[in-house]
Amino acid sequence: QKEVEQDPGPLSVPEGAIVSLNCTYSNSAFQYFMWYRQYSRKGPELLMYTYSSGNKEDGRFTAQVDKSSKYISLFIRDSQPSDSATYLCAMSRGGSNYKLTFGKGTLLTVNP
Amino acid sequence: ETGVTQSPTHLIKTRGQQVTLRCSSQSGHNTVSWYQQALGQGPQFIFQYYREEENGRGNFPPRFSGLQFPNYSSELNVNALELDDSALYLCASSAPSGGLQETQYFGPGTRLLVL
Repeated sequence: QKEVEQDPGPLSVPEGAIVSLNCTYSNSAFQYFMWYRQYSRKGPELLMYTYSSGNKEDGRFTAQVDKSSKYISLFIRDSQPSDSATYLCAMSRGGSNYKLTFGKGTLLTVNP
Repeated sequence: ETGVTQSPTHLIKTRGQQVTLRCSSQSGHNTVSWYQQALGQGPQFIFQYYREEENGRGNFPPRFSGLQFPNYSSELNVNALELDDSALYLCASSAPSGGLQETQYFGPGTRLLVL
């Protein structure tokens, strides 16, 4: 079993839709949770960063972490064609251990 | 503020050769991590350097080695290249403080093709 599982999609939605992206994980030591966006042939760009359980909102993006279920989500409201990219979840134990463990990524296409 | 830069952008090598990839960290960042991203996969942690010392290593063989320089730039060296080494190699920099996790900022990557 992989430490982090993420449905690779692809996911195709119409412009303006609400998008839900999810990851599950098995390592209960993970405390820091991130979502990165990666455009084709580019490096990952940090979108959201959350410590422990709870919700965090930034504009059209909301990140949720449920440590009891080992489940994290990213919601995108009013999706735009420019949101079309691969979304990677990543997590870390934090502290002196800075290794990021990534999911496989979900390819999202937002159609105009 | 200058972001993370990597060179070269693309590279083609043959099996058995050696390659060196370079990374300049973001201004003010003293930690550099390297990741390998195979096509259709998430990045896999190779190793991390903090103040010129290796600070953690992933499940990669010893033919993957690295260096960090006093200006915090870094190199990734891969010896005896194999076909499976073909991937996007990503460098990420961060600025840990007080032992807490700091976010990692990625460069654009170097795409390596091994023939």
